[in-house]
Parts: sequence; C-alpha cells; structure tokens
Amino acid sequence: DGGITQSPKYLFRKEGQNVTLSCEQNLNHDAMYWYRQDPGQGLRLIYYSQIVNDFQKGDIAEGYSVSREKKESFPLTVTSAQKNPTAFYLCASSILGGSGNTIYFGEGSWLTVV
Amino acid sequence: KQEVTQIPAALSVPEGENLVLNCSFTDSAIYNLQWFRQDPGKGLTSLLLIQSSQREQTSGRLNASLDKSSGRSTLYIAASQPGDSATYLCAVWLTQGGSEKLVFGKGTKLTVNP
Repeated sequence: DGGITQSPKYLFRKEGQNVTLSCEQNLNHDAMYWYRQDPGQGLRLIYYSQIVNDFQKGDIAEGYSVSREKKESFPLTVTSAQKNPTAFYLCASSILGGSGNTIYFGEGSWLTVV
Repeated sequence: KQEVTQIPAALSVPEGENLVLNCSFTDSAIYNLQWFRQDPGKGLTSLLLIQSSQREQTSGRLNASLDKSSGRSTLYIAASQPGDSATYLCAVWLTQGGSEKLVFGKGTKLTVNP
C-alpha cells in the first residue's frame, strides 16, 4: 500500500540522549515535512525538504536535525539540546513543495522523556 | 503573521444533526485551505482541499466553503454519525518569510452522541 510510515510509534528518551524518528514514503513525493503537536495545540513545523540533499528550518527547528539523502526518507533527530521534547511528532509529504497540493500525513510517533 | 482560529474548540451533538465547523484566518493572501480529520493518537487524514480560486468543495456528507475576502471557511457535516467523532483541523497554505508554509488551527473536537 502507498503511504507514509513512521517508526517507532512510541519512544522513550532519557535526559541527554539523542533519538531518531524514522519517516519513509513510497508515494514518490518530492516534499517532506516534520511537525510537532502538543496537547490542545495546532501543528508546528520543525523542518521541511523539497528536494533530496536540501532542507529548510521551520518555526521550531532548535534542538532538532534532519537529513534527506534519499527521496523516500526524511529522518528526524531530537537532540539533547531540545529541552522539552515530549510531544507527538508527525511526518508528512506532498507532490511538490508548497501550495496547491494535498499534504499527506503518517500515523505519528509519540516521544516521551523519562 | 498569519493566524488560524477554529471555533468552537469542542462541540457535542446528537446523532443525525447537521453541523458547521468554523475556521478563520487573518491574512487573505492564501493559496488554498485544507480540512483534516484527526482521530485520537493518530495522524491527519485529508478531507477536502479548496483552492484559493474556488468557493467550495464537496465530498459525500462533507461540504467546505471558502470566503477569502472575509478570511473564513466552514466545514458542513450533514446527518452526523458517531463515527464522525474526531478532531477537525483546518490549515492554510501561504507565503511567509519568503517561503511557502502550511499554518494550522488548533482544531475543533467533535463528539457525536448515539
């Protein structure tokens, strides 16, 4: 089936640890995105990429890093510099970066600091 | 800065009722508006995409309208069912800070009671 796969679904991070969230899509989409969702809040953009080997910071990029070595993959690393990482993380993709195109989302990953 | 507001934050209705969810945005210079559904702990599912040149879109029991000049969109759900219970989010594509981005509202949590 075509779609976006995020893993793991649930992840626990210890203080000072870096963790990486995986996002893979088989939709042949050019653009990929990472959003963070906190309870009662809208989605906030962390990073986005419109083409392989290129990515841009979103509104809340501090404490996060990404890579886009392959078209279908856009992993997100939550570093120890992110002071409040507990949240629901959503990966998304679209045909072309930006307006005019429907954006599709994965099922999300829950990250909890222990 | 573009802000997207959804009112009410929560809504509870009896099964079978027709209902309207509201979305407003402060800057009318948008490319399009998209409505999503989110079930608890899940990713977002796209419901309807309205291009800036369009007035409305329909899919089954759902009808979304867009009035750019007044900065408003509504999602009409006919003959509501318990399975419609979810959080509904609207988002607008726009140019901000020289790049295109998607700005989300915080959502309306809908409960349809049998």
